[in-house]
Amino acid sequence: AQSVTQLDSHVSVSEGTPVLLRCNYSSSYSPSLFWYVQHPNKGLQLLLKYTSAATLVKGINGFEAEFKKSETSFHLTKPSAHMSDAAEYFCVVRDYTGTASKLTFGTGTRLQVTL
Amino acid sequence: GAVVSQHPSRVICKSGTSVKIECRSLDFQATTMFWYRQFPKQSLMLMATSNEGSKATYEQGVEKDKFLINHASLTLSTLTVTSAHPEDSSFYICSASQTSGGNTGELFFGEGSRLTVL
Repeated sequence: AQSVTQLDSHVSVSEGTPVLLRCNYSSSYSPSLFWYVQHPNKGLQLLLKYTSAATLVKGINGFEAEFKKSETSFHLTKPSAHMSDAAEYFCVVRDYTGTASKLTFGTGTRLQVTL
Repeated sequence: GAVVSQHPSRVICKSGTSVKIECRSLDFQATTMFWYRQFPKQSLMLMATSNEGSKATYEQGVEKDKFLINHASLTLSTLTVTSAHPEDSSFYICSASQTSGGNTGELFFGEGSRLTVL
């Protein structure tokens, strides 16, 4: 069975400073991993995804994540936070079976960006 | 990119009435759509998997008679909350899987529908 753990429920950073949102996963097979962002009362927007290609994945809005199999981690980073980055972030894992299947969501990390 | 549209974005209804939420894939065909429920400040919980032309598969603990799901075409799935009660108030989100030969499993999410039952 697959699972995903987001280690921090809430992260607060100052504008212009780096962002680190942590995610660890467990999976029986080679997983696909995603980060989604959700702004208040909105749906989810895909930031980036890892699907067994390059381990360092670049996404939208300056975000990137590194897949580390030895650490079973997929942490999300951004060099410099912007006020518009304030949102809820979800790490998601899916065991790749070649067909559309259920995703397992982390509990989410709320990112707060202060002036 | 692929777009999934949900309607309505907000709905308020009286207790005992039924509410229908639509989920449409606007520029692609989706053989599979998923319905999620999100409680305040919590993650998404999968309610059911909807396959075009067949019955939906419900997750454990989700009442299929309460949450009716129909997936009549490759671009439309509907969720009907029947005899709604205040505890059904929640944020409902749908997602769709793009049909392709090289399926990467990426899901595209709707904007969500906030249901408030008075």
